[in-house]
Amino acid sequence: QKEVEQDPGPLSVPEGAIVSLNCTYSNSAFQYFMWYRQYSRKGPELLMYTYSSGNKEDGRFTAQVDKSSKYISLFIRDSQPSDSATYLCAMSRDYGQNFVFGPGTRLSVLP
Amino acid sequence: DADVTQTPRNRITKTGKRIMLECSQTKGHDRMYWYRQDPGLGLRLIYYSFDVKDINKGEISDGYSVSRQAQAKFSLSLESAIPNQTALYFCATSDGYRGLEGLYGYTFGSGTRLTVV
Repeated sequence: QKEVEQDPGPLSVPEGAIVSLNCTYSNSAFQYFMWYRQYSRKGPELLMYTYSSGNKEDGRFTAQVDKSSKYISLFIRDSQPSDSATYLCAMSRDYGQNFVFGPGTRLSVLP
Repeated sequence: DADVTQTPRNRITKTGKRIMLECSQTKGHDRMYWYRQDPGLGLRLIYYSFDVKDINKGEISDGYSVSRQAQAKFSLSLESAIPNQTALYFCATSDGYRGLEGLYGYTFGSGTRLTVV
C-alpha cells in the first residue's frame, strides 16, 4: 500500500463547477499538509499549506484536513479552465522533514 | 530569470552513457532536492541536501549520485543510464527554517525530460 494515495483521474468538469480533490494516507504521524498545482511541462507550484486538522480558505480554494480519517481534500469553487492541471498532495511528519507526495490527480475544466 | 533553473530541459541518451543534470537556484535556500516523476507514481525523492556538506539518499537513490558544488548548485548524475531511468526529473529547494506560511514549501524547477534508449 502506498503511503499517500490519490485518485489519478482524469477528472473533467464544466466551467463553474465545484471540484473536490482528495488524498488518503496511512501514516497517522503526518501533520503538515500541502497542495501543489502542476501545469503541463512545468514544475509543481505550492497552492496551499495546512497544519494538523481543520480548514483553510484562500480565494476559490479550500483545503480541509481530517486526521481522524487520514483524509485531506482540496475544494475549488467556480472552477475555471485555467485550473486545468495536475494537483498533488504532499505531507510530512515533522516541521523540517521531507514531504511525501501523492501521485497526483489530473483535472480538466471545460469551457 | 527563474528561481530554480534546470539544464538541460530535454535529453535523449543511450543505455550505458553517463549523464549529468544540473540545477541552480537564486532563492538563497539551504535545502535542495532531486525528484523523479513517473506517471501513476508521482514524485519520488532521489537525493537531498540540507547544506553543502550534507548529502542524503532518498527512497530511490540506486543508480544515481549527486554533487552539491555550492549552496546554489546541486547536480544529479546517472553513472550508467538504463531505460527505466526514463522520466521527468525535478530539482527543488526549500528553506526549512522560516515560518509556516508558504515559506516552507518547495520551489521546483521546470524539469528535465530524460529519455534513455
